[in-house]
Amino acid sequence: AQRVTQPEKLLSVFKGAPVELKCNYSYSGSPELFWYVQYSRQRLQLLLRHISRESIKGFTADLNKGETSFHLKKPFAQEEDSAMYYCALRPGSNYKLTFGKGTLLTVNP
Amino acid sequence: ETGVTQSPTHLIKTRGQQVTLRCSSQSGHNTVSWYQQALGQGPQFIFQYYREEENGRGNFPPRFSGLQFPNYSSELNVNALELDDSALYLCASSFELGNTEAFFGQGTRLTVV
Repeated sequence: AQRVTQPEKLLSVFKGAPVELKCNYSYSGSPELFWYVQYSRQRLQLLLRHISRESIKGFTADLNKGETSFHLKKPFAQEEDSAMYYCALRPGSNYKLTFGKGTLLTVNP
Repeated sequence: ETGVTQSPTHLIKTRGQQVTLRCSSQSGHNTVSWYQQALGQGPQFIFQYYREEENGRGNFPPRFSGLQFPNYSSELNVNALELDDSALYLCASSFELGNTEAFFGQGTRLTVV
């Protein structure tokens, strides 16, 4: 069975500071990893996925298979980054997304 | 292009009742997944429908059932409601199975009293 752990329920940083949201997973195979974001009063939306290797809104995430981690990073946080962030795993091309419990990021001015 | 829409937005039901939640998938999408999100938790997979057939199911009892229609819209039915069924129910649609992005609706907030 797969599991996604986001150890921080809340994370608060100041504008311009670096931010790292942690995500660890357990799965015996080669999963797909995702970060979803939910801004206030908006629906859940995909932020980035590891296979794309893109930088979206300044965020990057690298899949570390040795440490089974997929941490989300941004060098300089902005106030508009304040949101709920969910890490999710999908076993290969299987249908099911397994989500972590989420981290609420607050970027203070 | 229209996004995923869910109805109703909010709903209050009494324990033991039955409820039907509805989801219209994004234009061109033939795959719909349903998730339950309890307060303070991440979304939890209920089941998925692909071209009107159930394609997989999470760890939910049989009183959670679903349907997908020829236009790929979907329903989630829950019988014999329990207090613990109170949650946000999310629908997500995607284009085909496999390595495609899931687009989420705004959710239906169900409260069981």
